[in-house]
Amino acid sequence: DAGITQSPRYKITETGRQVTLMCHQTWSHSYMFWYRQDLGHGLRLIYYSAAADITDKGEVPDGYVVSRSKTENFPLTLESATRSQTSVYFCASFGLENTGELFFGEGSRLTVL
Amino acid sequence: ELKVEQNPLFLSMQEGKNYTIYCNYSTTSDRLYWYRQDPGKSLESLFVLLSNGAVKQEGRLMASLDTKARLSTLHITAAVHDLSATYFCAVPSTSGTYKYIFGTGTRLKVLA
Repeated sequence: DAGITQSPRYKITETGRQVTLMCHQTWSHSYMFWYRQDLGHGLRLIYYSAAADITDKGEVPDGYVVSRSKTENFPLTLESATRSQTSVYFCASFGLENTGELFFGEGSRLTVL
Repeated sequence: ELKVEQNPLFLSMQEGKNYTIYCNYSTTSDRLYWYRQDPGKSLESLFVLLSNGAVKQEGRLMASLDTKARLSTLHITAAVHDLSATYFCAVPSTSGTYKYIFGTGTRLKVLA
């Protein structure tokens, strides 16, 4: 099916472990984003990418790593997870032909124990 | 640094009533977006406002943008239970970029 998908949808891990959240879109959209959502903070931008091999930091990039070797994939890695990274993570995308509105994945709920 | 503030943060209203949600932002922007999020779900686009004075309407919701006042409003007319959700506005952090900054959201509950 066309769209933007995230995996895993739910993940429990332990402090210090490495975790990778996957994001895949089938629209060939240029721009892709990672947001985290926490109560009281709304959505905060972690990283975004304008195209393959082009990424840039958002509001809260510390502790996260991204890559974008292919247009359709934008994985987010927590190299050493901390409890403060317990959150719901949303991937989003849009193409240059759009008006700039974001299309969101279903979210990945991460719990760090 | 761009700040995006929404108010109220929580809104409980009776069916059939009207109300307005406000989104203020601190730097110049000619674009603003509204999104809706149902509990436990993802966000979906509601309105795209691309210029000063832009007004968009969908059913009982109407959004407007005043770039000079750095203000957008989301007006609810004759609320119904199905409108219960959290509403977010989002603004590009710098003119011409796509680093969107979101407001903290307004949680709307419409009581029957």
